[in-house]
Amino acid sequence: DTAVSQTPKYLVTQMGNDKSIKCEQNLGHDTMYWYKQDSKKFLKIMFSYNNKELIINETVPNRFSPKSPDKAHLNLHINSLELGDSAVYFCASSLSGPAGELFFGEGSRLTVL
Amino acid sequence: QKEVEQDPGPLSVPEGAIVSLNCTYSNSAFQYFMWYRQYSRKGPELLMYTYSSGNKEDGRFTAQVDKSSKYISLFIRDSQPSDSATYLCAMTDSSYKLIFGSGTRLLVRP
Repeated sequence: DTAVSQTPKYLVTQMGNDKSIKCEQNLGHDTMYWYKQDSKKFLKIMFSYNNKELIINETVPNRFSPKSPDKAHLNLHINSLELGDSAVYFCASSLSGPAGELFFGEGSRLTVL
Repeated sequence: QKEVEQDPGPLSVPEGAIVSLNCTYSNSAFQYFMWYRQYSRKGPELLMYTYSSGNKEDGRFTAQVDKSSKYISLFIRDSQPSDSATYLCAMTDSSYKLIFGSGTRLLVRP
């Protein structure tokens, strides 16, 4: 009974393609996040939604578009994929309120060829 | 300069050793400090959470925060092979934006 689940776990695709990653949490949390982890393990926040409202939008190319249809789901769509987009993308959730504990999914490993 | 600096390692120690992991930071507004553990091919999981300066102990793990030096530490006593993982420090002010260090890879040899 996974708390934060992401699909797919692995994505291999060609440059220029469009891809989506889906995330669902069953913890009843109000806040969800997308983080990107590069090959050096550096974990950087991309977006955060609180009760379906976008509250953090870091300096991310507008090829990346998050969507939160409800509090339990947060999806990430990436257009026109580039080699530099290759990374592991983690979804996370936390209870409402800042500085809360993050619960991470297992990650979606994207490889752009 | 990154907001949070962490030595990437790898750090290799024999089983039973005391391990010391450290991070420095530049933003004096940070007041919540965390350590996450990440096993290979898994998501990070929270290990320790500290507010402001001071020490916090949980079993074999002790977290220390020195805000005057902008320096945080995680100590692991009696290290076990199962502690082999990447340890990420993380911190924030009162916002939703958690800033992570780049992680230190730890290997505990049996």
